[in-house]
Amino acid sequence: IAGITQAPTSQILAAGRRMTLRCTQDMRHNAMYWYRQDLGLGLRLIHYSNTAGTTGKGEVPDGYSVSRANTDDFPLTLASAVPSQTSVYFCASSDSFSPNSPLHFGNGTRLTVT
Amino acid sequence: AQSVTQLDSQVPVFEEAPVELRCNYSSSVSVYLFWYVQYPNQGLQLLLKYLSGSTLVKGINGFEAEFNKSQTSFHLRKPSVHISDTAEYFCAVSDTTSYDKVIFGPGTSLSVIP
Repeated sequence: IAGITQAPTSQILAAGRRMTLRCTQDMRHNAMYWYRQDLGLGLRLIHYSNTAGTTGKGEVPDGYSVSRANTDDFPLTLASAVPSQTSVYFCASSDSFSPNSPLHFGNGTRLTVT
Repeated sequence: AQSVTQLDSQVPVFEEAPVELRCNYSSSVSVYLFWYVQYPNQGLQLLLKYLSGSTLVKGINGFEAEFNKSQTSFHLRKPSVHISDTAEYFCAVSDTTSYDKVIFGPGTSLSVIP
């Protein structure tokens, strides 16, 4: 079934450790996004990529980095995790980086930083 | 910049009763509007979208929403809910004038009571 695969499903991480959340899509979508979901705040954009080889900062980029070496993969890295990064992380994609292009989401990664 | 308000954080409703989930937005420019649904332990799925044209938009699973420009609202309705409609619902807005990112509301938790 075509879609977005995220790994791991959940993770407990000690503060200060480095962590990479993986995201792969098989829909050949040009644009990809990373959101974090926190209770009462909805989803907030961390980073995006409008096409392979380019990335941009979203609303809450501090402490996170991304890369887009090819169309399908869009990993999110926490260089040195802090407890405030405890959240559910969603990877998403859209056919184009266009304001009318709906988002397709993965099932999320639940990250706890202790 | 846009913002989205969902006035009700939780909405309990009996099975087969009608439901309305409220969404208001603010923006200085024209917008596109979306409703997404999130079932437990899953990512978000697109329910419906308003891009232009008819202000009454029909989506999947019997949901519909009406765009009211004067009241800057995009309320979601269903005439008769099912147990399977229990989920989190997110209203989202994007700016039509730029390839900017979608802004999500905080979400409304719909609980359908047997």
